[in-house]
Amino acid sequence: GAVVSQHPSWVICKSGTSVKIECRSLDFQATTMFWYRQFPKQSLMLMATSNEGSKATYEQGVEKDKFLINHASLTLSTLTVTSAHPEDSSFYICSAHTETGYGQFFGPGTRLTVL
Amino acid sequence: QKEVEQNSGPLSVPEGAIASLNCTYSDRGSQSFFWYRQYSGKSPELIMSIYSNGDKEDGRFTAQLNKASQYVSLLIRDSQPSDSATYLCAVNMLAGGFKTIFGAGTRLFVKA
Repeated sequence: GAVVSQHPSWVICKSGTSVKIECRSLDFQATTMFWYRQFPKQSLMLMATSNEGSKATYEQGVEKDKFLINHASLTLSTLTVTSAHPEDSSFYICSAHTETGYGQFFGPGTRLTVL
Repeated sequence: QKEVEQNSGPLSVPEGAIASLNCTYSDRGSQSFFWYRQYSGKSPELIMSIYSNGDKEDGRFTAQLNKASQYVSLLIRDSQPSDSATYLCAVNMLAGGFKTIFGAGTRLFVKA
């Protein structure tokens, strides 16, 4: 149980385009999902907390207009990187927990490369 | 002071030995503690959770928690080369609103 999927697993795009990443909880409902970014050989960085039916909560320094998050259902959250630039190239990972206070289950991640 | 601190390593142990990974945290009110394993190029995987003082064993893994010392550790017995990965300590903190804080991780190498 507690499986989280992400799509796509990798994407290459041109600078200036927008990219949407989907995160789905396959066998449980997730009122809260988390979006992380990880650069090579660096630690996880929480970008935002996605709440079903309400606005996401962004961490300090993360541009909410650039990283659009939508959590329209209990099993789906999306992250859209708008007007992507090469510095946005990174490994984007979502996660969810089955209950608040318990461990998070991570999706397999999406590797974004912006040319 | 970082909220969750881990030695970045690398920690190198021979195959069959016990690997000991340590983590300290700053929020004394924290109640939930987790260890994740992350292989290179992959996303983290939850391997252990611990909520009360003492030891919790699951197969070759033992998590140890000492809330008075604000210290949590992970022991890996009979270490295997396949255990080579980065291990992330995570703590659910109440300070400033409920949030899971991850340490930067400790890289473990198990030499065959």
